[in-house]
Parts: sequence; C-alpha cells; structure tokens
Amino acid sequence: GGIITQTPKFLIGQEGQKLTLKCQQNFNHDTMYWYRQDSGKGLRLIYYSITENDLQKGDLSEGYDASREKKSSFSLTVTSAQKNEMAVFLCASSINWGSSAETLYFGSGTRLTVL
Amino acid sequence: GQQVQQSPASLVLQEGENAELQCNFSSTATQLQWFYQSPGGSLVSLLSNPSGTKHTGRLTSTTVTKERRSSLHISSSQTTDSGTYLCAITGNYKYVFGAGTRLKVIA
Repeated sequence: GGIITQTPKFLIGQEGQKLTLKCQQNFNHDTMYWYRQDSGKGLRLIYYSITENDLQKGDLSEGYDASREKKSSFSLTVTSAQKNEMAVFLCASSINWGSSAETLYFGSGTRLTVL
Repeated sequence: GQQVQQSPASLVLQEGENAELQCNFSSTATQLQWFYQSPGGSLVSLLSNPSGTKHTGRLTSTTVTKERRSSLHISSSQTTDSGTYLCAITGNYKYVFGAGTRLKVIA
C-alpha cells in the first residue's frame, strides 16, 4: 500500500504572509489534487495536476499557486494569508484510467490558522 | 458546473438502527465515491459505485444513474460509525464533493 504525507500538520501564519504546504505520495499516481475544507462544509478544489509538470485550476484557485515539481510531489502556496482564516487543506491522489480518475486517496491534512 | 447535494445534513441514531444517506447530483458522473471522515481525521474511501448496487460489510450503496442519485445504507449502526459521510462524483479528472451527512450514533 501507499501513503500520502502532508507537511506541516499545523500551520500558523500572519495576515499577508506567503505560506507553502507540501504533499508527497508514494502510490506512483498520475493525478494529484489540493482541496480546501471549511468547517461544516464540503471540499472545494483549489488546483489539480494530471501528470508531472501539469497544472489545472479548480474552482477556488484565486489566492493560491501550485507546483508539481515531480510525479510524487505537489505543493500549494497561499499567496497572501487572510486574517482570521481557518481551514483544512487536503491533498489527494488518484491513478488515471482512460479519461477519468479512479479512487481518490487522501492525506491527513494541514490545518491552517491565520492570526 | 457539477453539483452534489447530500441529505440529511445530520442524523442521530441509536446503536443498532439503520441509516440511509442520500446523494443527488446535477449531471452524468462516470465515477461516484462515498467517503468517510472521522472527527478531525482524513477521508477514507468506503466504496466506488457509479451505477447499480454494491455491498461491503454493513454498507450498501445503490446508484441510479438515470435519476442522478445514490444512496448509502448503513445497517446495524455502531458508535464507531459516527463521523461525516461525503459523496463525490467525477465526469472528468475533477471530483466534486457534497457537503456531507454528519452521523452520530449513540449507545
């Protein structure tokens, strides 16, 4: 089996700060995702990457940058943290089959708090 | 874009009762998954069921693709089933999630 590792687990930032979240997977999966989850709400897609060096915007990409440095890693940058922002950022991966993604596997999340 | 609606938003059961969770989606999905999220935990896939009926343990999912709906039945609920159940669909590479059903099972 494989695992998705997200670092850091907890991130505390200041308003206006640039913050980077990292994700590594050893499934050898093609596609990787970054989702944001706010308390009591569903997951919203920020960025995804179908293969190494590919980058696709999700529904919530404004205010974020992403980078797929290699097949196993996908990082997300909050370009300017918003005061009182609190959310969980979840990284996921899937193998591709044909033109659709298969089962999603998730990391344990990075919990962001902005003071 | 695609939308996913889940109902009920929350559910409280006595241990041993059955749970029925619903998922309705706005457009054709080539893949549909049910996930479980423990309080404060990461998501775990329970089953993939784009059409028909699938069973695993005490879970049964039925998806009627033409009617754009899926259900997840949990039989003989246990306190350890407490958490949030999320439905997600994809018609391409992007999964779209519902807001989830928060289930609490009390002893």
